[in-house]
Amino acid sequence: GESVGLHLPTLSVQEGDNSIINCAYSNSASDYFIWYKQESGKGPQFIIDIRSNMDKRQGQRVTVLLNKTVKHLSLQIAATQPGDSAVYFCAENNKGAQKLVFGQGTRLTINP
Amino acid sequence: GAVVSQHPSRVICKSGTSVKIECRSLDFQATTMFWYRQFPKQSLMLMATSNEGSKATYEQGVEKDKFLINHASLTLSTLTVTSAHPEDSSFYICSAPASGGVYNEQFFGPGTRLTVL
Repeated sequence: GESVGLHLPTLSVQEGDNSIINCAYSNSASDYFIWYKQESGKGPQFIIDIRSNMDKRQGQRVTVLLNKTVKHLSLQIAATQPGDSAVYFCAENNKGAQKLVFGQGTRLTINP
Repeated sequence: GAVVSQHPSRVICKSGTSVKIECRSLDFQATTMFWYRQFPKQSLMLMATSNEGSKATYEQGVEKDKFLINHASLTLSTLTVTSAHPEDSSFYICSAPASGGVYNEQFFGPGTRLTVL
């Protein structure tokens, strides 16, 4: 759903552990979802996407899960590395409108 | 993947002046581009949709006379912040969707840090 000036929640994980970042969306008409990674001072970088006709999609070290019943999206990062430190945003798109709505984001920090 | 560039990467200006930010799709054409604003520790907020050959579409609450958008060609959109004030200081990011298909991946520029003194 719309992010309205909220401060970023933070997730801290040990290096090598798996990370799970969650996102709730509000528009039941959304049919395309994307996870982005944003490092400090840079633009968002595409990680993985999923369409509404799927409930799971895997990439390299990342998995996205979609639960349309409760309008929930998650990003799982396996064997988290220091380079994974960043802010992660979910975004939703509605029926090819090309208009992305970003979630509030989660800051992932890695403990050595 | 496709590349989107922004210029300048950072700009500092005095209050009351205008600042132009460019967004270019380097290796693909984009009839549509998007402008976002991001305040510190916050998410990206869509400001407007830039349409090549027609007027931009602004999101609710965004002043079209303050944030002028021009989509001059299929590879260039500009955002001009007119009469900038300190509250306009922010990180401005553009994006452009890849062509073809309903689910168009959007490619983001590196952002422009605007500081208004």
